[in-house]
Amino acid sequence: DIQMTQSPSSVSASVGDRVTITCRASQGISSWLAWYQQKPGKAPKLLIYSASSLQSGVPSRFSGSGSGTDFTLTISSLQPEDFATYYCQQANSFPRTFGQGTKVEIK
Amino acid sequence: QLQLQESGPGLLKPSETLSLTCTVSGGSINNNTYYWGWIRQPPGKGLEWIGSIYNSGSTYYSPSLKSRVTISVDTSKNQFSLKLSSVTAADTAVYFCARQGDGGKSFDYWGQGTLVTVSS
Repeated sequence: DIQMTQSPSSVSASVGDRVTITCRASQGISSWLAWYQQKPGKAPKLLIYSASSLQSGVPSRFSGSGSGTDFTLTISSLQPEDFATYYCQQANSFPRTFGQGTKVEIK
Repeated sequence: QLQLQESGPGLLKPSETLSLTCTVSGGSINNNTYYWGWIRQPPGKGLEWIGSIYNSGSTYYSPSLKSRVTISVDTSKNQFSLKLSSVTAADTAVYFCARQGDGGKSFDYWGQGTLVTVSS
């Protein structure tokens, strides 16, 4: 199985801050990586697929980059509605695996 | 707009079989473009992929659950289902169904999730 490791586990930030979350795969996954946002009591929401493609309807302040084993999710200017937990997921092979999550909290 | 809705018992006893159904509306499940999957999330923890089905036949399961899991599709009802046998307290979680777009890569539409508690 491909292990996905996110860092940090949590980050405290203020509205307007630039936030970067990293995700590392235990082996190369090309660009087959997705990012999700999850708010308490809700289903995850797809933000980014294929490492850098923005899902329809997702604000452009979200961006993704990377290939191989190292990936990043960047929120260019944090908004109040962005406080949530973010997960990466490798889509290169079965079994699909998720990172452990990164919680973005209000500073 | 595609919608997915999970249904099934919310409380099980240890050793019973968990059975959940995902009803898809706003689109056909009988579509060779998409996979259909199940993901779970124990209370306060992260996401765990359980398994997926494609083209009404090909199935893919988590190795850690493979001996207990069955996923199937009923195209006549536009539904797909999850069965997990011999449940224990460790199977207590919110269970989500989801569509896998992008060639089965990412989960682009999700159900709201249903909490299944295993307790004696």
